[in-house]
Amino acid sequence: GAVVSQHPSRVICKSGTSVKIECRSLDFQATTMFWYRQFPKQSLMLMATSNEGSKATYEQGVEKDKFLINHASLTLSTLTVTSAHPEDSSFYICSARARQRGVGTGELFFGEGSRLTVL
Amino acid sequence: LAKTTQPISMDSYEGQEVNITCSHNNIATNDYITWYQQFPSQGPRFIIQGYKTKVTNEVASLFIPADRKSSTLSLPRVSLSDTAVYYCLRGGNKLTFGTGTQLKVEL
Repeated sequence: GAVVSQHPSRVICKSGTSVKIECRSLDFQATTMFWYRQFPKQSLMLMATSNEGSKATYEQGVEKDKFLINHASLTLSTLTVTSAHPEDSSFYICSARARQRGVGTGELFFGEGSRLTVL
Repeated sequence: LAKTTQPISMDSYEGQEVNITCSHNNIATNDYITWYQQFPSQGPRFIIQGYKTKVTNEVASLFIPADRKSSTLSLPRVSLSDTAVYYCLRGGNKLTFGTGTQLKVEL
């Protein structure tokens, strides 16, 4: 089946630094990718929708200047957490939808997640 | 936001059938219903998707009544490895997660 890969799976950084997380669709093209954030024992919260070749659409309350999203190709989207602070520590998950033929919205494939810890 | 309501937690024993019901009263005509499973520190994994009536695959069944205001995920003969959080989502291109149901399977 289709696979979405995230890298790195874990990252620890100092406060004030920037961290980039990559999300790749390995065997399919994804015109749209989604970025989620999940705090411990909570559900996934949609941060933004990333469209190939255009600006990302951010959900209400998500700072676009802090969470930079780039979707330069049909198989790669990146999330950069700029000037990270301890409150940005979280589990970040990307997802991508394979193009679907026929009925249904198409299966949404999720990456393995990236755990960010900001000291 | 696309809102769904599920029980926060459920307990079961190995070999039993588990049914998790989700309410989505304001479902839109174009919305599909999708269920995902998530283990700790992993991304969610697709289980099943449907629009109405019944859908079955190798791991689960999904029952959706005619009014589509609710749906029930049925897991036959659960095992310990089915202990996870199960999310019911409604929507089209963009999917919003609800609180999910923590299923705990015991011996």
